[in-house]
Amino acid sequence: EVQLVESGGGLVQPGGSLRLSCAASGFTFSSHAIHWVRQAPGKGLQYVSAINDNGQSTYYVDSVKGRFTISRDNSKNTVFLQMGSLRPEDTAIYHCVKDGGSWDFDYWGLGTLVTVSS
Amino acid sequence: QSALTQPASVSGSPGQSITISCTGSSSDVGGYNLVSWYQQYPGKVPKLMISEDNKRPSGVSYRFSGSKSGNTASLTISGLQAEDEADYYCCSYVRSIKSVVFGGGTKLTVL
Repeated sequence: EVQLVESGGGLVQPGGSLRLSCAASGFTFSSHAIHWVRQAPGKGLQYVSAINDNGQSTYYVDSVKGRFTISRDNSKNTVFLQMGSLRPEDTAIYHCVKDGGSWDFDYWGLGTLVTVSS
Repeated sequence: QSALTQPASVSGSPGQSITISCTGSSSDVGGYNLVSWYQQYPGKVPKLMISEDNKRPSGVSYRFSGSKSGNTASLTISGLQAEDEADYYCCSYVRSIKSVVFGGGTKLTVL
C-alpha cells in the first residue's frame, strides 16, 4: 500500500523557517518524482514544488522561489521541503504527492498544516 | 503562472449528466494530452479521477469521463449521484514553466 506521511508543520512567525518531511512507502521511491501541493484554508489547490527521481532537477512556483528548497534522500525514502522567510500567505495544508508518470498525482499524503502568524 | 479557468459552481439533479469545463491556452491544455482531474470532499485529500485528458485510473467509476476540444478540457459525470457532490479541480502541464498549474476548482452540488 502506497503511503505518504508528512510532518514538520506548525505555527511560525512571519520571517521564520520550517522544514517539512515526507516519508514514503509502498512503492519504488527512487523511481518517482515527488511534488508538494498546498491548500490554504477554504481555497483551491496550488502546486508548489517538485523534485525528480534522482534529485537532480527541481521546480518551484514563482511565489516561493528563493525561499523554499526541496530535496530528497532516496536511502531513507524521504523528501524534504525547507521553508524560509515565511509569509502569512504561505499558511496552508502542505500535501506530499507521488507523481503518476504523466504530470498527474496518483497518491496524496494527508498533509501537514503550516500556519504563519504573529 | 495563471490558473486554468473553471466555473465556480455547477449543479445537477440525480441521474442527470453534468460537465465541468477547464479553459487554458495552446501552451497548456491545448498543447499537450496532460490534463488531469481531481475530486475532493470537504476535509479530505484530493483523488485522481482522470489523467492524460481522458484516462480513467483503476477503481474510478465509468460515470466519470474526460475530453478536450481545442484549449478547453471537460470532465463529464453521467448518472449523477449524491456522492458526487464535491469540489473538482483540473490540472494541466504548462510549456512556459515546464510544470503544472491547477484550475480554481468547481463546486458540484447535487440537487
